[in-house]
Amino acid sequence: QVQLQESGPGLVKPSETLSLTCTVSGGSISSYYWSWIRQPPGKGLEWIGYIYYSGSTNYNPSLKSRVTISVDTSKNQFSLKLSSVTAADTAVYYCARDVIAVAGNWFDPWGQGTLVTVSS
Amino acid sequence: DIQMTQSPSSLSASVGDRVTITCRASQGISNSLAWYQQKPGKAPKLLLYAASRLESGVPSRFSGSGSGTDYTLTISSLQPEDFATYYCQQYYSTPPTFGQGTKLEIK
Repeated sequence: QVQLQESGPGLVKPSETLSLTCTVSGGSISSYYWSWIRQPPGKGLEWIGYIYYSGSTNYNPSLKSRVTISVDTSKNQFSLKLSSVTAADTAVYYCARDVIAVAGNWFDPWGQGTLVTVSS
Repeated sequence: DIQMTQSPSSLSASVGDRVTITCRASQGISNSLAWYQQKPGKAPKLLLYAASRLESGVPSRFSGSGSGTDYTLTISSLQPEDFATYYCQQYYSTPPTFGQGTKLEIK
């Protein structure tokens, strides 16, 4: 079955850019939508945005000015960049596959998540 | 954005109990609702979608219902492995949004 694994630095300095990659195994990245979702410590879940394997994207308006999601189909990977980070961006970052319904999408499966701390 | 409000925020129950968690949307979402279970240090796991459809492999003691703005997740007979945090998520409109979670603890 499809498995997802996040990777990237666990510590990022304030004002710098957070960069994470999600590697998809057990299946092709093609023909699906893929999302990033984050969870600050002890708090709830926030959808960051998605990318279609063709490269089209949709971002949460609350983060849109700072987010870039890209895809590399040759490596079966997609990536997240979040610029100008602050302590408020400290969170566990999850990648997930979107399950598309008529109205919208839910998420299954998810990666195990990776904690990114923003601190100098 | 559609706001999702879960109640209660936490709940203590015993093995074998029947429990119900409620999720209320700030506007109607036409059954475009998913439920997830999250255990400490783990990723959320999909339980139900379309408000009442059970994901493959999820035990039948989990069920969902509701319409309009109000939805419920029911666990008919709590098992030890069910103690976790539960989240609802609406996918009626973008951005998809989640409830704040309901932590189910052992009494």
